[in-house]
Amino acid sequence: GAGVSQTPSNKVTEKGKYVELRCDPISGHTALYWYRQSLGQGPEFLIYFQGTGAADDSGLPNDRFFAVRPEGSVSTLKIQRTERGDSAVYLCASSPSGHTDTQYFGPGTRLTVL
Amino acid sequence: AQTVTQSQPEMSVQEAETVTLSCTYDTSESDYYLFWYKQPPSRQMILVIRQEAYKQQNATENRFSVNFQKAAKSFSLKISDSQLGDAAMYFCAYEGAQKLVFGQGTRLTINP
Repeated sequence: GAGVSQTPSNKVTEKGKYVELRCDPISGHTALYWYRQSLGQGPEFLIYFQGTGAADDSGLPNDRFFAVRPEGSVSTLKIQRTERGDSAVYLCASSPSGHTDTQYFGPGTRLTVL
Repeated sequence: AQTVTQSQPEMSVQEAETVTLSCTYDTSESDYYLFWYKQPPSRQMILVIRQEAYKQQNATENRFSVNFQKAAKSFSLKISDSQLGDAAMYFCAYEGAQKLVFGQGTRLTINP
C-alpha cells in the first residue's frame, strides 16, 4: 500500500475486555514499531520488530500487552484485561530496514476504555 | 537513558512570518539521528526534517531548516514564510537503538 494503515481507527471497550489493534506496514518494510501516545504527550515506544521477531520489547508496560508479527508484515498489538489507563492513541510505524532509516507512521488507533 | 525536552508548549506566529521551535536532548552517544515530526489533528505523524549527528551541515527542506548544535545538544526548527497549513503539533525526536524518543510537543498556531 501507499502508506502505513491501522485498523480500527477508533475502538471503545469496557474495562477488563480484550482488544486487538492491527497495523499494516508499507510493503517491503522489514522494521515495524508500536508507540503509545497519551493525551497531551509525545509518543512512547512500546515494541520494535525486525522481520517476524521482536527485537526490542522493553517499552511494553506489563504482561497484559503483547504483539505479534507472524509473517513479517502485518502486526497485531494485543491488550488483555484492559484498564482505563490504557486509553490512548496507539501508533504504528515502519521503516525499510531499521537502523538509520526514517520511520513512517500510520494514522493511529484511538483506544478508549470505559 | 536519552531524553528530549521541548520547552515551549505553545507558539504562535503571523502568516508569512518566521518562527523557531526549540528542542534539547540528552545522550551519551556520538552517533544518532534527530527528527522533527508534525502531527495535525488527523493524528498522522508526518516527517518534517531529519538530521544525522555526524553531519555538521544543518538540514533544510524547503521552508524548514534546523539549527543543530551538537555540543550544546540543541536542535531547533525554523519555519520560514509560515502558512496556515503549518498549524499542528510539532514533535522533536531522537533516534537511538532503533527507537524514537519524543519530546512533549509544541502546539503551533498560525494567525492569518
